[in-house]
Amino acid sequence: DIVMTQSPDSLAVSLGERASINCKSGQSVLYSSNNKTYLAWYQQKPGQPPKLLIYWASTRESGVPDRFSGSGSGTDFTLTISSLQAEDVAVYYCQQYYSIPLTFGGGTKVEIK
Amino acid sequence: EVQLVESGGGLVQPGGSLKLSCVASGFTFSNSWMHWVRQAPGKGLVWVSRISSDGRTTTYVDSVRGRFTVSRDNAKDTLYLQMNSLRVEDSAVFYCARSAYNFMDVWGKGTTVTVSS
Repeated sequence: DIVMTQSPDSLAVSLGERASINCKSGQSVLYSSNNKTYLAWYQQKPGQPPKLLIYWASTRESGVPDRFSGSGSGTDFTLTISSLQAEDVAVYYCQQYYSIPLTFGGGTKVEIK
Repeated sequence: EVQLVESGGGLVQPGGSLKLSCVASGFTFSNSWMHWVRQAPGKGLVWVSRISSDGRTTTYVDSVRGRFTVSRDNAKDTLYLQMNSLRVEDSAVFYCARSAYNFMDVWGKGTTVTVSS
């Protein structure tokens, strides 16, 4: 199984400031035959289901604000919120879809400082 | 509107059974692979199972294999999860989700399963 490790567990950021969340996979999730990285990011607000933000490590889902961006390759990835808004308070999860079983990181809680 | 609506959750005793349903609308269900994902209270997301668009291929996480069975009825646009031999540690919100290359692009609101005596 590919273990996904997120850091930090939580972070508090001032409104308008940058928030960065890290995700490390236990093995590479880059599929060499198509050069695609099998890594997604989700946002989960309290009492709501998860929402897809980013897939293929850096492709933003339709309708997701451009302040959200994904980067990284191989085993190390980052979700960045360039200018934190009040509505971004949530728990964020990374997920690898390179192999079964599909696995998620433990989540990072983002709060307003 | 693309939508998934789960139902069938509830309170069940350890060792009991429950069958969850997920009704899809707003997209061609019969063309979509589907997943079940669960979330224990206050915990993170755990993938449970997936099923191919034609229902012939199913996959499970080790902790539920042999106890849970995923199935679908494409004529009814409905996904199912039959859960047997339930354990206290199976208590969670269960989400169905549409698969896109094995990431989940549409999620239902979830249904709560509580296993307790």
